[in-house]
Amino acid sequence: SQKIEQNSEALNIQEGKTATLTCNYTNYSPAYLQWYRQDPGRGPVFLLLIRENEKEKRKERLKVTFDTTLKQSLFHITASQPADSATYLCARRKTGGFKTIFGAGTRLFVKA
Amino acid sequence: EAQVTQNPRYLITVTGKKLTVTCSQNMNHEYMSWYRQDPGLGLRQIYYSMNVEVTDKGDVPEGYKVSRKEKRNFPLILESPSPNQTSLYFCASAGGVAGVNTDTQYFGPGTRLTVL
Repeated sequence: SQKIEQNSEALNIQEGKTATLTCNYTNYSPAYLQWYRQDPGRGPVFLLLIRENEKEKRKERLKVTFDTTLKQSLFHITASQPADSATYLCARRKTGGFKTIFGAGTRLFVKA
Repeated sequence: EAQVTQNPRYLITVTGKKLTVTCSQNMNHEYMSWYRQDPGLGLRQIYYSMNVEVTDKGDVPEGYKVSRKEKRNFPLILESPSPNQTSLYFCASAGGVAGVNTDTQYFGPGTRLTVL
């Protein structure tokens, strides 16, 4: 079956450091991967999308990479702040469809 | 304000009592979807719709029904709820114009359902 795997362990980092979250996929080649942020009790909020023909995408302090050889996407938050503390979800959709698979998410804690 | 709304936000019901959770979007999006979120399992797609009168199953459709009679509304129906459907439910929408806009999903605030 097609799966998205994210590190289930929470990530604890110090303010100002770079947080790196991992998303691995198996048994398929997604057209693109998306990253969302989710705060407790709220709906996910879209952050970034990276397509299979893109190596890297940036948005302010966020950077996403896509390695189709390793079947992996990395999500980086540079100069992290306590306000970045949240759960980050990785998701994939196939081109032309709306069937979506999400990873279970990685909880990030940024300590001041 | 562009948004996805869900009602009710919280619902406690009993086994077997039919219920409907409404979802509405004001962005003229073509795509709409329902997810459930359970601890440790993440978001799982229940049903999705690519346009009016076009719906398809996600990964966990059993026990649920949907309909898409109007573009803006996509209600989720539980004909005979059971305790294993206790969960946090999210509606999402996307698209309208081919290209970048079709890729971003906008989520509603969630509906917390408890089935006793």
